[in-house]
Amino acid sequence: GQNIDQPTEMTATEGAIVQINCTYQTSGFNGLFWYQQHAGEAPTFLSYNVLDGLEEKGRFSSFLSRSKGYSYLLLKELQMKDSASYLCAVRDSNYQLIWGAGTKLIIKP
Amino acid sequence: GAVVSQHPSRVICKSGTSVKIECRSLDFQATTMFWYRQFPKQSLMLMATSNEGSKATYEQGVEKDKFLINHASLTLSTLTVTSAHPEDSSFYICGCGSGEAQPQHFGDGTRLSIL
Repeated sequence: GQNIDQPTEMTATEGAIVQINCTYQTSGFNGLFWYQQHAGEAPTFLSYNVLDGLEEKGRFSSFLSRSKGYSYLLLKELQMKDSASYLCAVRDSNYQLIWGAGTKLIIKP
Repeated sequence: GAVVSQHPSRVICKSGTSVKIECRSLDFQATTMFWYRQFPKQSLMLMATSNEGSKATYEQGVEKDKFLINHASLTLSTLTVTSAHPEDSSFYICGCGSGEAQPQHFGDGTRLSIL
């Protein structure tokens, strides 16, 4: 079956750096997405990786290794507003999006 | 860019009522629209996928006669929850895709509460 694993919850300190990992086993691969979802709101798109390597976008970066079935989302200079759930999603060979359960990130002052 | 409007944002109604949720892509054409349901503290659960002008494809366990989907144009899809019951109370979110290599963009969601 298809599976995406990410930690359930992480805690970090304001101003610090945090890395949220995601591992996947899917039927084929056509890209990996990271989304941010604040409580009670819909997800918002953060990043897209389809080739190996690091994609940087401001304070957020996302890394992909297709051979390892692994990605991470790196958040720098953490702010209180970064407290949210972070969802990893992989598009399989049928272009269907397979969702992880999300990682709840708690930022402490 | 990539703005998706979902309406209404919140619905509270009595059991047995049918509820219609609209999803519009405002500044792009959504070739595919996705409807999700999310229960508290859980991830998104895909209910159905629809392409403009064709019948929706429902995920296993989702009743197509209860959750009616109409994808009338490249910018509008509707989900109707027919004869809603308290167990249908959830957060419903639409996602719009404009191509296989493009990310989905989401509406703000509809919080449905059935009394």
